[in-house]
Amino acid sequence: GIQVEQSPPDLILQEGANSTLRCNFSDSVNNLQWFHQNPWGQLINLFYIPSGTKQNGRLSATTVATERYSLLYISSSQTTDSGVYFCAVETNTNAGKSTFGDGTTLTVKP
Amino acid sequence: DTEVTQTPKHLVMGMTNKKSLKCEQHMGHRAMYWYKQKAKKPPELMFVYSYEKLSINESVPSRFSPECPNSSLLNLHLHALQPEDSALYLCASSQAPGAGKSSYEQYFGPGTRLTVT
Repeated sequence: GIQVEQSPPDLILQEGANSTLRCNFSDSVNNLQWFHQNPWGQLINLFYIPSGTKQNGRLSATTVATERYSLLYISSSQTTDSGVYFCAVETNTNAGKSTFGDGTTLTVKP
Repeated sequence: DTEVTQTPKHLVMGMTNKKSLKCEQHMGHRAMYWYKQKAKKPPELMFVYSYEKLSINESVPSRFSPECPNSSLLNLHLHALQPEDSALYLCASSQAPGAGKSSYEQYFGPGTRLTVT
């Protein structure tokens, strides 16, 4: 099956700093989502981005499908940004079957 | 409304108990999913229902029995679980493949934290 690798596994920032999270995948995808899992376990949709670039406030994401990676940018980080960030992908041959990366654990210190 | 609800929030059960987890969505989605997430691990897909029919079963043990009674509801029936089944169980929904697209954005519920004693 498809392999999904996220980096870095852990990231510690001071409030106000910027960061870039990366998701590499081993096969062509038709679905890529970024999620933020808060300390209570809720997975919050950040972006649905199988290709291209999107922005939502302080967050933006870019997926370069031909090179099989996606980047999540967080600017001016806040303590509430802390949590685990997952990317999840689906391939054409396995529609409906999402594979998650291991996540990046972000800690933003005040 | 982009909300998926799950009940109960927490569940403690013995190995001989029978219990059910419930999931509901009112977004008109026709695909629903169960995931299992162990501590400090990513969610793992268990089952997918598409148009109320089971379309994917990721070789889940038979002590987990899914049911989709209608397009808004998804249940997970639990029987004779083991302590290693303790985990966060997440439900999700999305539009079902079709109409020129094979995949859509998934929306997750808050999860049920299950402890098996």
